[in-house]
Amino acid sequence: DARVTQTPRDKVTEMGQEVTMRCQPILGHNTVFWYRQTMMQGLELLAYFRNRAPLDDSGMPKDRFSAEMPDATLATLKIQPSEPRDSAVYFCASGRWGDTEAFFGQGTRLTVV
Amino acid sequence: SQQGEEDPQALSIQEGENATMNCSYKTSINNLQWYRQNSGRGLVHLILIRSNEREKHSGRLRVTLDTSKKSSSLLITASRAADTASYFCATAGHNQAGTALIFGKGTTLSVSS
Repeated sequence: DARVTQTPRDKVTEMGQEVTMRCQPILGHNTVFWYRQTMMQGLELLAYFRNRAPLDDSGMPKDRFSAEMPDATLATLKIQPSEPRDSAVYFCASGRWGDTEAFFGQGTRLTVV
Repeated sequence: SQQGEEDPQALSIQEGENATMNCSYKTSINNLQWYRQNSGRGLVHLILIRSNEREKHSGRLRVTLDTSKKSSSLLITASRAADTASYFCATAGHNQAGTALIFGKGTTLSVSS
């Protein structure tokens, strides 16, 4: 049963610490999205990749957020330094390039205290 | 930034009734998709309708698209308690870089038995 895997599922960290979230897209998918979900803002697109190349990361605060795809089986989202306002659920989704559906992981719930 | 806006924000109905959710968007699209999210889980794709289609069915789901009004509706017929979830519309457009899925803030549906 192919699925997008995100780790960790939950993360509590102190303000100022570095946080790394990982995502394993579904094998064969060449598009990866990172979203952030909060009650106030809903689902915000942070960045997305096609064939491991970043296409758009304009939704990300550039000074503290970075997204990479070291290889086709791993996408990472890093926050350094973390702030309380970064508390949210972060979702990774993958799909095939073009106008088809996106498959979501279960999310990483980040709490910055 | 948000592309789609769902209406209503919340909907409460009885089992067996139909549920209708609406989505309005701002810019031209390639396709529009509806997703479902159960509490604490990732989003699950329900149905995709392309810009040249006006109506689509899948089981108890019926989706319409009016590109002249930039709006779509999702109808769930004969609702069940298990349909309780949040429902999101997502638009896929074309930008210089490629296709990105932009989500609205969702409609929270509660179906009571």
